[in-house]
Amino acid sequence: DVKVTQSSRYLVKRTGEKVFLECVQDMDHENMFWYRQDPGLGLRLIYFSYDVKMKEKGDIPEGYSVSREKKERFSLILESASTNQTSMYLCASRLRRTGGNTDTQYFGPGTRLTVL
Amino acid sequence: DAKTTQPTSMDCAEGRAANLPCNHSTISGNEYVYWYRQIHSQGPQYIIHGLKNNETNEMASLIITEDRKSSTLILPHATLRDTAVYYCIVRAYSGAGSYQLTFGKGTKLSVIP
Repeated sequence: DVKVTQSSRYLVKRTGEKVFLECVQDMDHENMFWYRQDPGLGLRLIYFSYDVKMKEKGDIPEGYSVSREKKERFSLILESASTNQTSMYLCASRLRRTGGNTDTQYFGPGTRLTVL
Repeated sequence: DAKTTQPTSMDCAEGRAANLPCNHSTISGNEYVYWYRQIHSQGPQYIIHGLKNNETNEMASLIITEDRKSSTLILPHATLRDTAVYYCIVRAYSGAGSYQLTFGKGTKLSVIP
């Protein structure tokens, strides 16, 4: 089974702090994703990474950055946390398609971040 | 991605089969039907996917109609731990630009003791 783990389930930070959210997957997946989930807005993609050291902006990258130095680890960084970044953050991974056209993403348990 | 329509909520008695419907009348030939679920305060969990044949795995069965315009996810023996929001998603992987999963409102399944 694919296992995607996130460094914290719950996190409380203060406005202006730098925040690191870590995600690790153990299935040698090339693609990794960071989403945030808010009531009424569904899942929104922040950043994704096709492979090591590769990153692409999603729909809402402002205020965030990412790092993918190793294949199994994808970090989300909030440079200066703000209250509107209070949310549930979800990491996902996906095996890069080598044939066929299926697209299964496996999610971590989520980190509920509160910024005061 | 094709639009999907699901009931807002459903109840199911514990131990009975839960049948969750999904309409996707605009599905195109290369789009798969995926089902995920999200238990409260947890990340979404992949359940099953299919193209046109019925599929079964250790979690559920997926029945897709012959015209592919609708499908049903079946949890054969629902337990209290199956209480969750179930999302039906229709999408095709069309290359580098196709990366984002779009979750609709889903069906909130409540399994009743």
